[in-house]
Amino acid sequence: QTVVTQEPSFSVSPGGTVTLTCGLSSGSVSSSYYPSWYQQTPGQAPRTLIYNTNTRSSGVPDRFSGSILGNKAALTITGAQADDECDYYCVLYMDSGIYVFGTGTKVTVL
Amino acid sequence: EVQLLESGGGLVQPGGSLRLSCASSGFTFSNYAMTWVRQAPGKGLEWVSGISTGAIATYHAEPVKGRFTISRDNSKNTLYLQMNSLRAEDTAVYYCARWRHGNYFDYWGQGTLVTVSS
Repeated sequence: QTVVTQEPSFSVSPGGTVTLTCGLSSGSVSSSYYPSWYQQTPGQAPRTLIYNTNTRSSGVPDRFSGSILGNKAALTITGAQADDECDYYCVLYMDSGIYVFGTGTKVTVL
Repeated sequence: EVQLLESGGGLVQPGGSLRLSCASSGFTFSNYAMTWVRQAPGKGLEWVSGISTGAIATYHAEPVKGRFTISRDNSKNTLYLQMNSLRAEDTAVYYCARWRHGNYFDYWGQGTLVTVSS
């Protein structure tokens, strides 16, 4: 069973930079997995941030960026703000119409 | 404005069935693939099922394969999820989302809660 791993939590200072990663339990993540990233505030529906590795969804501020770093997908928040404090999930496309969400990262801004 | 509105959630006993609906508006429903994603209480997101524009192709995650069926009625702009043989571990908020070519989900509903308990 494929497991997509993310850091459980990260803390960042206001105005600081943080990079979240999205890896595979076995193997490397590449752009062929079409990594996408979603932001979720507790009790709310997810919001789409990044798709196709590094394309920002409509209305998403440019302080959010996506990339491949080494063997993982990455989401970088540059100039973190208080309302960036929430949960972040990556999703990888596994082929044949199947997707797997990452375990999620809780970001704290303090 | 794209809107997705889920309904049909509720309390059901283990082994029971439930059908969720997702009513869409603000876009041409028949032109888009759709998907269901769920989130157990206090847990992360989990992809459940997906369906192509004309319902020719359907896809299900292993934990629900053989128990859940995704379908759609393009004349009613509505997506469905038929859930049979429900288990306690199916307890979750179920979200419908629009599935884009390029392998991502761009619009999400607000979710409907399914609780499986005796």
